[in-house]
Amino acid sequence: AQTVTQSQPEMSVQEAETVTLSCTYDTSESDYYLFWYKQPPSRQMILVIRQEAYKQQNATENRFSVNFQKAAKSFSLKISDSQLGDAAMYFCAYRSRSTGANSKLTFGKGITLSVRP
Amino acid sequence: DAGITQSPRHKVTETGTPVTLRCHQTENHRYMYWYRQDPGHGLRLIHYSYGVKDTDKGEVSDGYSVSRSKTEDFLLTLESATSSQTSVYFCAIKNRADTEAFFGQGTRLTVV
Repeated sequence: AQTVTQSQPEMSVQEAETVTLSCTYDTSESDYYLFWYKQPPSRQMILVIRQEAYKQQNATENRFSVNFQKAAKSFSLKISDSQLGDAAMYFCAYRSRSTGANSKLTFGKGITLSVRP
Repeated sequence: DAGITQSPRHKVTETGTPVTLRCHQTENHRYMYWYRQDPGHGLRLIHYSYGVKDTDKGEVSDGYSVSRSKTEDFLLTLESATSSQTSVYFCAIKNRADTEAFFGQGTRLTVV
């Protein structure tokens, strides 16, 4: 079974600074997806960024980028130029690329990010 | 807006009573999921469906049952609610061609 580990329960960053959120996972599969979801106080789950395991290039979405290390099974999220609106809980998630009964997301426990003005 | 609606959004119920949460989608997505979110545990999969009348258990399925008699609705039932089932419940949907899942707004259930 796949597992996702987020070992830091909380982090804090100064506005306009850069912060990196860590995530590791365990799987025996070679083809899969990895995601970072953001959950603000509104409780809505918002997709921040995704990475396909077969792609060597790290995904980037504006101020958000990932450092995907497939051999190390590491998937960290870097937030540049942090903004007050980035304060939220962030979840790392894994999904097998296979379809059918295996097509489900496995989440880490999440990390609460606070942004200091 | 991925066309997914959860109802009710909030519910308080008494221990031992049955409770049904509904997830409704308008996008004809094949896959539907029920998760619960608890502090320190992230989101954990309860049950999921990969087609009408095709369902399977997730990692925390004890005390829950599901039904999917039509594509658009996925029902989660707590046959006899317990205080340990106090949680926020999320429904998610996905199609075969989708990379990511889309989430509903969540249902906060309190069992007293």
